[in-house]
Amino acid sequence: EVQLVESGGGLIQPGGSLRLSCAASGFTVSSNYMSWVRQAPGKGLEWVSIIYSGGSTYYADSVKGRFTISRDNSKNTLYLQMNSLRAEDTAVYYCARDLVFDYWGQGALVTVSS
Amino acid sequence: QLVLTQSPSASASLGASVKLTCTLSSGHSSYAIAWHQQQPEKGPRYLMKLNSDGSHSKGDGIPDRFSGSSSGAERYLTISSLQSEDEADYYCQTWGTGIQGVFGGGTKLTVL
Repeated sequence: EVQLVESGGGLIQPGGSLRLSCAASGFTVSSNYMSWVRQAPGKGLEWVSIIYSGGSTYYADSVKGRFTISRDNSKNTLYLQMNSLRAEDTAVYYCARDLVFDYWGQGALVTVSS
Repeated sequence: QLVLTQSPSASASLGASVKLTCTLSSGHSSYAIAWHQQQPEKGPRYLMKLNSDGSHSKGDGIPDRFSGSSSGAERYLTISSLQSEDEADYYCQTWGTGIQGVFGGGTKLTVL
């Protein structure tokens, strides 16, 4: 059974850093496209970042230069390192598999506030 | 620029059918999309991948009541025999060469 479990969310001050984790089971992270998608309170879904099976990474303009996507193949886990956080980064962050996002995690809430 | 357009809201009666629409921007009518459902206070759930020819492949456990179809730049999600638990936000999403992730604005479905 495919499962994605996010962790690492929390309350952080503007300018701070946070790392989200997405532990996968039932499939191999390194063999798939893996993305982070976020949803601000009361808003729609916004794609944030993707890592290809070959290792290429891409980012939404809103986070480019501040966020870094990576994976640990030995732990079958996806990460999102978030630096220089802003109030507008406040959202629930989901990890999702493949280009069609056929499996989603339950989400991790990140609140950026002083 | 690749844009997906959805109506903000739709409504239909319990037991009836409803057809939601996602429109691809000009020049992108050949793109496949995916439909996702988000029930209140829950995370998104993948429903199906829908190709430009109308063929579709559904996610695990998605009932037969959910189906997809296509016409030109329009992609449709039809839900038949509406149930109360179908009340949710529905998002379409696509991808392509150099385009990593694009979502429509979502349609809020109310079951009357």
